Amino acid sequence: GDSVTQMEGPVTLSEEAFLTINCTYTATGYPSLFWYVQYPGEGLQLLLKATKADDKGSNKGFEATYRKETTSFHLEKGSVQVSDSAVYFCALRMDTGRRALTFGSGTRLQVQP
Amino acid sequence: KAGVTQTPRYLIKTRGQQVTLSCSPISGHRSVSWYQQTPGQGLQFLFEYFSETQRNKGNFPGRFSGRQFSNSRSEMNVSTLELGDSALYLCASSLVGQNTGELFFGEGSRLTVL
Repeated sequence: GDSVTQMEGPVTLSEEAFLTINCTYTATGYPSLFWYVQYPGEGLQLLLKATKADDKGSNKGFEATYRKETTSFHLEKGSVQVSDSAVYFCALRMDTGRRALTFGSGTRLQVQP
Repeated sequence: KAGVTQTPRYLIKTRGQQVTLSCSPISGHRSVSWYQQTPGQGLQFLFEYFSETQRNKGNFPGRFSGRQFSNSRSEMNVSTLELGDSALYLCASSLVGQNTGELFFGEGSRLTVL
């Protein structure tokens, strides 16, 4: 079945450091890809998405590029802030069949001042 | 604009009991999806309702059920609770359905089964 694999956390960075959270997927076909973020005490929020190969999703300084050849959708940010501390979930959705989101296990990011 | 509201936020039950969780979607949203989040299995899709009809269903046993009312509010029920049902149950609403992928999540109902 379809699946998403994320790097294990927690990821601990100093403020203004560069962030990469790796995400790879397995799917029969070409899914849409998403990053969701969960801040402490809040529900999940959509951070960015990409619906086809080579698309780049971006929001709040975060970027991720849909790489079909490597089946990846790595999340990057050039300079993290303490307020970016949260759990980040990579997810995919197929355009056929059930069309539910399949999530990765989540990666906790801790940014220290 | 109010977000997705889930009640209760926390509850404790014992094995064999049943539980009902409630979700009020964002005003105007017609689709409600439910997900179970556990440390071992992560986030797993339970079911989706749209205009009072179940549109999609995940791979959970029949003990897990749900419904949606005419005002789009949704409830999910778990009968004959097992220890493994302990989890955070997340509700998400969207305007037209989760096939757009843009879901708005509530903070969840944390169920502990003793």
